[in-house]
Amino acid sequence: DGGITQSPKYLFRKEGQNVTLSCEQNLNHDAMYWYRQDPGQGLRLIYYSQIVNDFQKGDIAEGYSVSREKKESFPLTVTSAQKNPTAFYLCASTSGGAGQETQYFGPGTRLLVL
Amino acid sequence: QKEVEQNSGPLSVPEGAIASLNCTYSDRGSQSFFWYRQYSGKSPELIMFIYSNGDKEDGRFTAQLNKASQYVSLLIRDSQPSDSATYLCAVLDNYGQNFVFGPGTRLSVLP
Repeated sequence: DGGITQSPKYLFRKEGQNVTLSCEQNLNHDAMYWYRQDPGQGLRLIYYSQIVNDFQKGDIAEGYSVSREKKESFPLTVTSAQKNPTAFYLCASTSGGAGQETQYFGPGTRLLVL
Repeated sequence: QKEVEQNSGPLSVPEGAIASLNCTYSDRGSQSFFWYRQYSGKSPELIMFIYSNGDKEDGRFTAQLNKASQYVSLLIRDSQPSDSATYLCAVLDNYGQNFVFGPGTRLSVLP
């Protein structure tokens, strides 16, 4: 089955701890994205990557880091510098090109602080 | 700052009625426009996209785009209780890289 997978579904973080959220896609999409969604709010862009070994900061990158070593994988690390990490984290990838881009989402990871 | 605006709702319609969801955007150079449905606790699901001015129909859904007015809408005909969800409007910027999302409109279809 083709698609985007995220793990874990739920993640608990202790104070001062770094945690990493996994995102994998087998759709052969070049571009991948990380969003954060807070209750009752829209999606805010954390980081995105158009190609392997390259990524750009989004609107709320502080306290987060990413890597893109493989086309299929785009993990997100929530560092201890992120003081309010409780949120629903969504990974997405984009198909198409030249104005025909369409974005698809993984099932999400819900991060909670202990 | 590129913005996408939607009425937060909730928008309540009776079963079988037409639900009309609206969205405006600030970036005049935006190329592509999307509607996502998000059930509570789940990730967004793409239901419609539109690139050109006018109407695009897919089953019970019709997307309408007016680039001159920077306005995009979604009509849901014969609304069903299963359509109750939050509907997110998204706009692809003129660089073709970033998707900007609105806050979503919560739709409630009453049986």
